[in-house]
Amino acid sequence: GEDVEQSLFLSVREGDSSVINCTYTDSSSTYLYWYKQEPGAGLQLLTYIFSNMDMKQDQRLTVLLNKKDKHLSLRIADTQTGDSAIYFCAVLPGYSSASKIIFGSGTRLSIRP
Amino acid sequence: GAGVSQSPSNKVTEKGKDVELRCDPISGHTALYWYRQSLGQGLEFLIYFQGNSAPDKSGLPSDRFSAERTGGSVSTLTIQRTQQEDSAVYLCASSLALGDPEAFFGQGTRLTVV
Repeated sequence: GEDVEQSLFLSVREGDSSVINCTYTDSSSTYLYWYKQEPGAGLQLLTYIFSNMDMKQDQRLTVLLNKKDKHLSLRIADTQTGDSAIYFCAVLPGYSSASKIIFGSGTRLSIRP
Repeated sequence: GAGVSQSPSNKVTEKGKDVELRCDPISGHTALYWYRQSLGQGLEFLIYFQGNSAPDKSGLPSDRFSAERTGGSVSTLTIQRTQQEDSAVYLCASSLALGDPEAFFGQGTRLTVV
């Protein structure tokens, strides 16, 4: 089945860019997502990209998809303290019976002054 | 409602007791999903519903877990004879239809089995 991997921790300085990386195994994945989970809160859908796209930009967020390497990244420009959270990479597998989004373990982003 | 609503938000139960978790999806969403998030872990898929039917129950960890959905709306996840390893946050999500790219999550129910 599909496997989604991401590093557990990332620390960046306030104002710098954060880049969170993710790899997945199913090359036929259709949609790829980034969710944000703040402490004590549920998951918030940040953005998603369809597999026929290489890049999607939404204000401070840039998603890059490298289908050849099965690599997805989320770049947060001008990182702020409010960006501190756990970021989950997730994919919707491409096989016909796929109905559930598969999540990585999450990357905890911490911001230092 | 405006979003996915789950209740209770927190539940502490004694080992061996049964618990029932409730999810109220966004109005009009036909697909509903249950996930479990254990401490420091990612999300583990449990079960999904399309309407009232749940074609794929393979994610349920054991036969102590069951879920139902009636009227194509509210869903309940029941855990019988709870064990300490059942302690986790149980998250519910809904989407307009199965396979729709946008799935919205509730705040979750934090279950603690003591």
